[in-house]
Amino acid sequence: DIQMTQSPSSLSASVGDRVTITCRASQPISSYLNWYQKKPGKAPKLLIYGASSLQSGVPSRFSGRGSGTDFTLTISSLQPEDFASYYCQESYSNTITFGGGTKVEIK
Amino acid sequence: EVQLVESGGGLVQPGGSLRLSCVASGFTLSGYTMNWVRQAPGKGLEWVSYLSRGGDSIYYAASVRGRFTISRDKAKDSLFLQMSSLTDEDTAVYYCARENSLKDLRDGFVTDAFDIWGQGTMVTVSS
Repeated sequence: DIQMTQSPSSLSASVGDRVTITCRASQPISSYLNWYQKKPGKAPKLLIYGASSLQSGVPSRFSGRGSGTDFTLTISSLQPEDFASYYCQESYSNTITFGGGTKVEIK
Repeated sequence: EVQLVESGGGLVQPGGSLRLSCVASGFTLSGYTMNWVRQAPGKGLEWVSYLSRGGDSIYYAASVRGRFTISRDKAKDSLFLQMSSLTDEDTAVYYCARENSLKDLRDGFVTDAFDIWGQGTMVTVSS
């Protein structure tokens, strides 16, 4: 199975900060990488698909980059509603794997 | 409105069984590949199972293989997850998720992603 390693596992940031989360795959997965936002008690929400495509309705402050094994999710200017957990997910294999998650907390 | 609604969660004893259901509104569930994903308390998201649109491909996470069965009822347009031999490690919120093929408008790259999720149903395995 493909292993997905996210870093950091948590971070503290302030409103307006630029935040970058990293996800590394244990083998090349081309651009088959998606990002989700998860808030407590809420369903996960698709943010980015295909490593860099913004899902419809998602604010443009979210962006994704990468290909192969190394990927990033960037929030250009953190907003109060962005404090949540973020997960990468590979869609390369039949047995899908999520990263361990990154919790973005208020500093 | 396009949405998924899960049901069937609850408290079950170790070794017991439970059947989760997922129904769709705003789209035809049987027209899509569907998945189950779970999140244990304080833990991350874990993919559980996959059922292809045509029903000819089914996959399970190693942690549930042999104990869980994914299925669909086309007449009722519903998705199910039959869970047996439950342990406390199966305690989690279970989500059904629609898998959709999405295209990058810049280069045409197509990937599959979970674009619609239910609100989840809680399964607690405890004596």
